[in-house]
Amino acid sequence: GNSVTQMEGPVTLSEEAFLTINCTYTATGYPSLFWYVQYPGEGLQLLLKATKADDKGSNKGFEATYRKETTSFHLEKGSVQVSDSAVYFCAQNRPNAGGTSYGKLTFGQGTILTVHP
Amino acid sequence: DTEVTQTPKHLVMGMTNKKSLKCEQHMGHRAMYWYKQKAKKPPELMFVYSYEKLSINESVPSRFSPECPNSSLLNLHLHALQPEDSALYLCASSQDYGGRTGNTIYFGEGSWLTVV
Repeated sequence: GNSVTQMEGPVTLSEEAFLTINCTYTATGYPSLFWYVQYPGEGLQLLLKATKADDKGSNKGFEATYRKETTSFHLEKGSVQVSDSAVYFCAQNRPNAGGTSYGKLTFGQGTILTVHP
Repeated sequence: DTEVTQTPKHLVMGMTNKKSLKCEQHMGHRAMYWYKQKAKKPPELMFVYSYEKLSINESVPSRFSPECPNSSLLNLHLHALQPEDSALYLCASSQDYGGRTGNTIYFGEGSWLTVV
């Protein structure tokens, strides 16, 4: 089946530290991959996405590269801020037999990030 | 503009009440979704509407009743809920449900439901 595995949290960093949150997936075919962020008390916001192998998604200083050979989509940021404190979800969009994607997300368990001043 | 608007933001209801959650999008999307999220867990899909027709019901109890009056609106009618139904209910939309690579799903801010 299709699944997404994220590194367990919580992750606690000091401001300006480097961030990596690991995400790996299993899938039949070639899914699209997403990172969503959920700030305290809010809904999910799309952070970035990649739709095919070697694509790099980027937004607000965050980056992730779709690695087919390692089935990974790790999230990175060079210098985190206190305002980045949130829960981060990696997700995939299951492809159908024709290679296009259904709008049905499979999420990882989420990683809680806390950034201290 | 990638905005999905949900009302109300907070709702407290008794187990015998009938209430509704509402969702609206004006992005021209033809697929709309209801997700349920418990604390510290990822969202779980409940329903999918595609072109205003119910495409998927993830074995959701009948006390939750979805409705899609038109392509921009999605409602979730609630009746005889249980305390364990207390959660964040997220509405989402995408261009369509199937047939497009890289279909991106956009979420609303959610409705916090407490059943007492």
